[in-house]
Amino acid sequence: SQQGEEDPQALSIQEGENATMNCSYKTSINNLQWYRQNSGRGLVHLILIRSNEREKHSGRLRVTLDTSKKSSSLLITASRAADTASYFCATENSGGYQKVTFGTGTKLQVIP
Amino acid sequence: DAGITQSPRYKITETGRQVTLMCHQTWSHSYMFWYRQDLGHGLRLIYYSAAADITDKGEVSDGYVVSRSKTENFPLTLESATRSQTSVYFCASSEPRSEWREYINIQYFGAGTRLSVL
Repeated sequence: SQQGEEDPQALSIQEGENATMNCSYKTSINNLQWYRQNSGRGLVHLILIRSNEREKHSGRLRVTLDTSKKSSSLLITASRAADTASYFCATENSGGYQKVTFGTGTKLQVIP
Repeated sequence: DAGITQSPRYKITETGRQVTLMCHQTWSHSYMFWYRQDLGHGLRLIYYSAAADITDKGEVSDGYVVSRSKTENFPLTLESATRSQTSVYFCASSEPRSEWREYINIQYFGAGTRLSVL
């Protein structure tokens, strides 16, 4: 079963607009990560936010985490055509073997 | 080549045949993973390995076998391929590190193998 569920499943925006993707999860986590997957390629790590952090920035990326609601959001500001990809949240659960569980992804299309 | 490489990139086989997908990483990461990616399911863990000669099942391990005799290689074998195993397979590696009393586990992915079972 998937730990993370992304919303929306697909998103289409114009270049220059902001894109927001949401992720909900079920169990307590050590951290939450976001990955990007370009068409026909493997996943690439973007950003990690720890369970005791509420917000984190990296370039045009802003991630928030609300552990009380078990949810996270990824904001991409001033989107570019090159941001067209699928975005996955991944949760690293407390304890165990550092298991990372991936969600089903949001497919983002940025129209030039 | 540095990084993590998968071979072949594309494979077509027939039901009942044995197929082995290869994965090689040059970072000496201790952990390696195999996932399959299917529409509507995201990535599902098939097997993982914490070190050479240590492997364990993931969410969807039936019909798959792995081995890890060397740290850098983690082949995945479909013993008798079925149509339901048509998928894109990704290998990943990671080296967990400790930060603030927690382990951080960032995974690095290969480019994938697209497998079709006819």
